[in-house]
Amino acid sequence: GENVEQHPSTLSVQEGDSAVIKCTYSDSASNYFPWYKQELGKRPQLIIDIRSNVGEKKDQRIAVTLNKTAKHFSLHITETQPEDSAVYFCAAKGVGDGNKLVFGAGTILRVKS
Amino acid sequence: DAGITQSPRHKVTETGTPVTLRCHQTENHRYMYWYRQDPGHGLRLIHYSYGVKDTDKGEVSDGYSVSRSKTEDFLLTLESATSSQTSVYFCAISVGTREQYFGPGTRLTVT
Repeated sequence: GENVEQHPSTLSVQEGDSAVIKCTYSDSASNYFPWYKQELGKRPQLIIDIRSNVGEKKDQRIAVTLNKTAKHFSLHITETQPEDSAVYFCAAKGVGDGNKLVFGAGTILRVKS
Repeated sequence: DAGITQSPRHKVTETGTPVTLRCHQTENHRYMYWYRQDPGHGLRLIHYSYGVKDTDKGEVSDGYSVSRSKTEDFLLTLESATSSQTSVYFCAISVGTREQYFGPGTRLTVT
C-alpha cells in the first residue's frame, strides 16, 4: 500500500522568511495530494491540494509542487507570519476503493517574530 | 465545517469498558472515515464507510468496530478499551472523490 514520508519533523523560521516542507510517496499510481494545517487543539484544515496532472498550484502565499517522476511533492509558504505556526500534514490518495488518504507524520512549523 | 459533528468531545473511561463515538454529518456525503491521531504518527485510518452498511478496515483497525445504519451517522466502537487506545479521534467525510474534511475531534482517555 501507499506510504508517505514527510520532512522535516520540525521547522523554525523567522517571520517573513519562506518555509518548505517535503513529502515523498511510494505508489506511482497516486493521483491526489492534499495539505492540511492543524492548529493546537483544532481539527486539520485543508489548505491546498494538487492533482497528478498538474505540476504546481498557488494560492496567495502558499504553493504546492509535484514531481511525479521522483514521487515527491512540497509545500511552500512565502512571507511567513506568526499565524502560520501550526502542524502541517501532507497526504496522498492511492488507487482503490474508499478514496483513502495516507498521511505523513506531520511537520511542526514555528514562525518566530 | 462541512456539517460534521462528533460526540462526545471528551471522554475518560476505564480499561475494559466499551466506548462508542459518534460522527454525524448533515450533507449526505457517501464516504465517511475514522482516524486516530497520536504524536509522531500523523493521522491513521481506522475504518471507513462507502455507504449505508458498507464499511472496510483501515491500517489500524484491530480493537475497533464500526457501524453505519444511516447515511448521516458513522459509529466507532471500542469493544473493550485499552490504554493504547488513548488518542484523539477524528471523523472525516469525503466530498466527491477527493477532498476530505474533518470533524472537531474526540479526545479519549483510557485509564
